Amino acid sequence: SQQGEEDPQALSIQEGENATMNCSYKTSINNLQWYRQNSGRGLVHLILIRSNEREKHSGRLRVTLDTSKKSSSLLITASRAADTASYFCATDTGGFKTIFGAGTRLFVKA
Amino acid sequence: EAGVAQSPRYKIIEKRQSVAFWCNPISGHATLYWYQQILGQGPKLLIQFQNNGVVDDSQLPKDRFSAERLKGVDSTLKIQPAKLEDSAVYLCASSPGSGGGNVYEQYFGPGTRLTVT
Repeated sequence: SQQGEEDPQALSIQEGENATMNCSYKTSINNLQWYRQNSGRGLVHLILIRSNEREKHSGRLRVTLDTSKKSSSLLITASRAADTASYFCATDTGGFKTIFGAGTRLFVKA
Repeated sequence: EAGVAQSPRYKIIEKRQSVAFWCNPISGHATLYWYQQILGQGPKLLIQFQNNGVVDDSQLPKDRFSAERLKGVDSTLKIQPAKLEDSAVYLCASSPGSGGGNVYEQYFGPGTRLTVT
């Protein structure tokens, strides 16, 4: 079963705009990670946020975590065509066991 | 450092045949994962090894799938006999599993695309 559910399922924006995708999960977690998958580079780790953290930044990426609502969001600022990919949240519930969601498909138009 | 290696990259078989996939993780990574990714879905964990022991295989269809991790390094995943619904990309990933840094970050191989006809 998939713990994380991303929203929206698909998102189309213009280059330069911001993209926000959300992830909701069901059980308590140790950490939450975001991954990107495109045909060129496969699945790549983007950022990890621990359960005791509320916000984290990495370059143009900003991740928030609200454990009371069991949700996380990924914001990509000033998007580029190269950001076109599927984005997955993955929750770690302990023992290094990671459960992936179904993903948000982002399309950035040049 | 070298990434996670997988072979073959593509495989086409008929239903009821058997197939095996091979994975070589990043050197020193204790944790190894096999995922099944069906088109349009997220990766689904099949089995997780910590060194050469199985940590989680709750979603592995054990009547047809088997996996082993030899000497805590390389791993093979086998399907016997294959069904049409096994058509998917099989991804191998590894993570440090211990020590400093981001022990949870998983590094993925390119995957094996399996088509069962």
